[in-house]
Amino acid sequence: IAGITQAPTSQILAAGRRMTLRCTQDMRHNAMYWYRQDLGLGLRLIHYSNTAGTTGKGEVPDGYSVSRANTDDFPLTLASAVPSQTSVYFCASSVMSGAHNEQFFGPGTRLTVL
Amino acid sequence: GQNIDQPTEMTATEGAIVQINCTYQTSGFNGLFWYQQHAGEAPTFLSYNVLDGLEEKGRFSSFLSRSKGYSYLLLKELQMKDSASYLCAVEDSNYQLIWGAGTKLIIKP
Repeated sequence: IAGITQAPTSQILAAGRRMTLRCTQDMRHNAMYWYRQDLGLGLRLIHYSNTAGTTGKGEVPDGYSVSRANTDDFPLTLASAVPSQTSVYFCASSVMSGAHNEQFFGPGTRLTVL
Repeated sequence: GQNIDQPTEMTATEGAIVQINCTYQTSGFNGLFWYQQHAGEAPTFLSYNVLDGLEEKGRFSSFLSRSKGYSYLLLKELQMKDSASYLCAVEDSNYQLIWGAGTKLIIKP
């Protein structure tokens, strides 16, 4: 089934632990994105990748890292989780970076840091 | 700074028409998107405007005025399944999407 998958669906994590959120797409899209969504706030971009092998920082990158070793996978790592990273995380992809690129979203990961 | 404003919540009646407004101030403009997001689900694409005017797509239409920094999403013949949040997003000069907080639309029978 074409689309974007994310894992895990939800996770409860102790503060200070390391966690990797997985994202895989099978649409051969060049660009991929990680957002967090918090109540009352819009989606905020954490990191992005315009093509395999490149990454860039978004609006709220601190405490997060990403890698893009191939076209399909774009994992997001929290090196040492803190309670303020409690959020819903969405991975998205688009055919390419640039104008009018509809982004397709994964189902999200609900993360709680205690 | 960059800012996208839209109402937090709106209520409408099944079968009626509702207009959801979005105003924006961003560093550059390369287009405006509307997405629909049902509770607990991912956002899904509804419409894209880059030129001034109205884009119609079935029961949904989206309007853009670049000079006023203004857009609206018009939903006609409302159905209960239209109960969702509607997200306005502007593509800035770096081709990144800047998102509004979303408008929660409640449809009553």
